[in-house]
Amino acid sequence: AQTVTQSQPEMSVQEAETVTLSCTYDTSESDYYLFWYKQPPSRQMILVIRQEAYKQQNATENRFSVNFQKAAKSFSLKISDSQLGDAAMYFCAYRIPDSNYQLIWGAGTKLIIKP
Amino acid sequence: ETGVTQTPRHLVMGMTNKKSLKCEQHLGHNAMYWYKQSAKKPLELMFVYSLEERVENNSVPSRFSPECPNSSHLFLHLHTLQPEDSALYLCASSQGTGGGTGELFFGEGSRLTVL
Repeated sequence: AQTVTQSQPEMSVQEAETVTLSCTYDTSESDYYLFWYKQPPSRQMILVIRQEAYKQQNATENRFSVNFQKAAKSFSLKISDSQLGDAAMYFCAYRIPDSNYQLIWGAGTKLIIKP
Repeated sequence: ETGVTQTPRHLVMGMTNKKSLKCEQHLGHNAMYWYKQSAKKPLELMFVYSLEERVENNSVPSRFSPECPNSSHLFLHLHTLQPEDSALYLCASSQGTGGGTGELFFGEGSRLTVL
């Protein structure tokens, strides 16, 4: 069965420092997509970053980057220069190609930013 | 208004009440989704509509009844709910149900409490 595991229910980081959120997944597929979504306290979930499994290069979006280890089925999110606005729930998700709705979600990691 | 809007933001209902949740998207998307979000659990996909036709129904109890009158509006009709149905209900939209970027655009959610 395809599963997504986020082993850290909660993480905290000092403002301006770097934090890494973990995500592992289980699949027998070779082609798939991985996502990190952010849900701030206002609750609107937004896409942070996306990775295609066939791409070896790790995706980056400004201060957000991923460490994608396909063989290990690991997809961690690194947030550099953490800001107060980064405080949120972060969800890792996996999907097979050609199906936007067959998303498998992790249970989320709550990120706390200490001023 | 822009994006995906949901009303009401908060709803308290008794087990015998009938109520509805409304979702409207202003993004020109043709697919809409209902998700259930419970604390410390992965998001649960409830229903998917593509071009106003239901394409996915994840064994949701019949006390939840979706309606999609057009590609911009989605409703979730609630009837004879149970306390365990208390959760945050998220609406999302996307351009199509397969392929593309796969990005979902979410509303802020409707917090439902069943007494």
